[in-house]
Amino acid sequence: DAGVTQSPTHLIKTRGQQVTLRCSPKSGHDTVSWYQQALGQGPQFIFQYYEEEERQRGNFPDRFSGHQFPNYSSELNVNALLLGDSALYLCASSVDGENEKLFFGSGTQLSVL
Amino acid sequence: AQSVTQLDSQVPVFEEAPVELRCNYSSSVSVYLFWYVQYPNQGLQLLLKYLSGSTLVKGINGFEAEFNKSQTSFHLRKPSVHISDTAEYFCAATLLAGYQKVTFGTGTKLQVIP
Repeated sequence: DAGVTQSPTHLIKTRGQQVTLRCSPKSGHDTVSWYQQALGQGPQFIFQYYEEEERQRGNFPDRFSGHQFPNYSSELNVNALLLGDSALYLCASSVDGENEKLFFGSGTQLSVL
Repeated sequence: AQSVTQLDSQVPVFEEAPVELRCNYSSSVSVYLFWYVQYPNQGLQLLLKYLSGSTLVKGINGFEAEFNKSQTSFHLRKPSVHISDTAEYFCAATLLAGYQKVTFGTGTKLQVIP
């Protein structure tokens, strides 16, 4: 079992650009959540996807959007990048209704210059 | 909505000494509580969780935590730390509704001194 896999591991972008991060959930999991972890902070919930729909969203602007595919994998898109978007982006997967069994990937480190 | 407060941003401790990392939560309804560990350049790994039942929860790597409802606390303890325990530790909470988001504290960096 490969667990939760994220790609790429590191990414460097400039302000104003757009970025797409990818996540493959743990085998058997159908729900994917995305978190942003700024330096020195705890992870902050961005949104959660289930059945290819955004089910819950945290306090993030519309520049942050996502998608879930029929195979349960997910993408996080960020438009018009700001310096403040520099962070570790974590993907977590679970089975629907079992948020106490959350598995995290190793994250994508995004640097915005 | 729930919130989680970790009172110490950094905790230095000598190797083989005991350690306690403090966590308090706030919620108007019942919550699940967790402790996660994050090693440098890695994601989060679950140490332990409290769902219900016994208030003393044992986790991996010799860690344990005690749920105290009256004090709304969920402190993490280890009787004897090792160098390999040096990492950042996050307390977290989620509502019992099943698919609610997980709310994290700001983290405590545990530095084990040889």
